[in-house]
Amino acid sequence: GAVVSQHPSWVICKSGTSVKIECRSLDFQATTMFWYRQFPKKSLMLMATSNEGSKATYEQGVEKDKFLINHASLTLSTLTVTSAHPEDSSFYICSAQGSGSLYEQYFGPGTRLTVT
Amino acid sequence: QKEVEQNSGPLSVPEGAIASLNCTYSDRGSQSFFWYRQYSGKSPELIMFIYSNGDKEDGRFTAQLNKASQYVSLLIRDSQPSDSATYLCAVNPPKSGSARQLTFGSGTQLTVLP
Repeated sequence: GAVVSQHPSWVICKSGTSVKIECRSLDFQATTMFWYRQFPKKSLMLMATSNEGSKATYEQGVEKDKFLINHASLTLSTLTVTSAHPEDSSFYICSAQGSGSLYEQYFGPGTRLTVT
Repeated sequence: QKEVEQNSGPLSVPEGAIASLNCTYSDRGSQSFFWYRQYSGKSPELIMFIYSNGDKEDGRFTAQLNKASQYVSLLIRDSQPSDSATYLCAVNPPKSGSARQLTFGSGTQLTVLP
């Protein structure tokens, strides 16, 4: 149980374009989903927290207009990187958390974004 | 002081030995504690969680929690080369409230030598 999928697993896009990343909880309902980014050999950095049907809460320094998050259902959240630039190249990872849990998060496999 | 501290390592142990990974946290009101394993280039994988003082065993893994001393540890018995990874400690601090966030340590890199 507790499987989270992410799509695509990797993407290369040109500077100025937008990229959408999907995160799905496959066998449980995720009341809360989190989006992280991770640079090589660095720690996880939380970008935002989203609850189903609500606006996402962004961490300080994360531009909400650049990183659009939608949590339309209890099993799907999307992150759209708008007008991507090379500095947005990173490993983006989502995690999902069910209700009534001990706060454990289950991570998706991640999406490696390269902006050229 | 960081909220969750781990030695970055690298920690090297020979195959078959016990690997001991340690983590301290600053917020005394924290209630849930997690260990994640992250292979290079992959996302973190939950391997253990603990919320009561004492030991919790799962196969070759044992998590230990001491709330009075504010530390949590992970022991890996009979270490295998496949255990070589970065181990992340995560804590649910009380300040997260309804946000249900976890605070992650920076991770300890473990290498098991064949």
